[in-house]
Amino acid sequence: GENVEQHPSTLSVQEGDSAVIKCTYSDSASNYFPWYKQELGKGPQLIIDIRSNVGEKKDQRIAVTLNKTAKHFSLHITETQPEDSAVYFCASFRTYKYIFGTGTRLKVLA
Amino acid sequence: DTGVSQNPRHKITKRGQNVTFRCDPISEHNRLYWYRQTLGQGPEFLTYFQNEAQLEKSRLLSDRFSAERPKGSFSTLEIQRTEQGDSAMYLCASSLAGLAGASPDEQFFGPGTRLTVL
Repeated sequence: GENVEQHPSTLSVQEGDSAVIKCTYSDSASNYFPWYKQELGKGPQLIIDIRSNVGEKKDQRIAVTLNKTAKHFSLHITETQPEDSAVYFCASFRTYKYIFGTGTRLKVLA
Repeated sequence: DTGVSQNPRHKITKRGQNVTFRCDPISEHNRLYWYRQTLGQGPEFLTYFQNEAQLEKSRLLSDRFSAERPKGSFSTLEIQRTEQGDSAMYLCASSLAGLAGASPDEQFFGPGTRLTVL
């Protein structure tokens, strides 16, 4: 069935360093790939997204890349700050249905 | 606050009891999703509404689960004869989309309802 694999499950970085989270999707018809940040006790919040006709998108310290051929997409966070610590989820979308990855717990060490 | 709201935020119930959760989406949003999230996992799709029509229901969802969106605004999710395995966070999300089904749209999530079945 459809699934999204996400790695790593946990990631610790020093403040100021970069963090990279990678996802692989299985459904070649997926056409939209959002990334969410979830803090304790809250629902996921969209931080960046990319559509299938775009290879890269950047918003300040956050960027997402998409390789449709390999069915890979990645989240890049530069100059990490303690407030970036949270759980991050990738997702793929196809015909109203979202499939989420299993999440990455990011810890930014001060 | 004009975000997605969910009530109650926490629910503790005994096995075998029925529970009902409510989701109030962002006004004018025509799509509404229900998800279940267990510890250490991503949200798992349960069901989807386009206005008042329930267009998709996960095959993983047993007959004990039912959802409604009677006027295309708020939605309810009911779980009958709860089991301990139903313990999870139940998330609601809404979005505004111009075309049914095909077009991707930005989802806005509520804070969730945490269900504990004893």
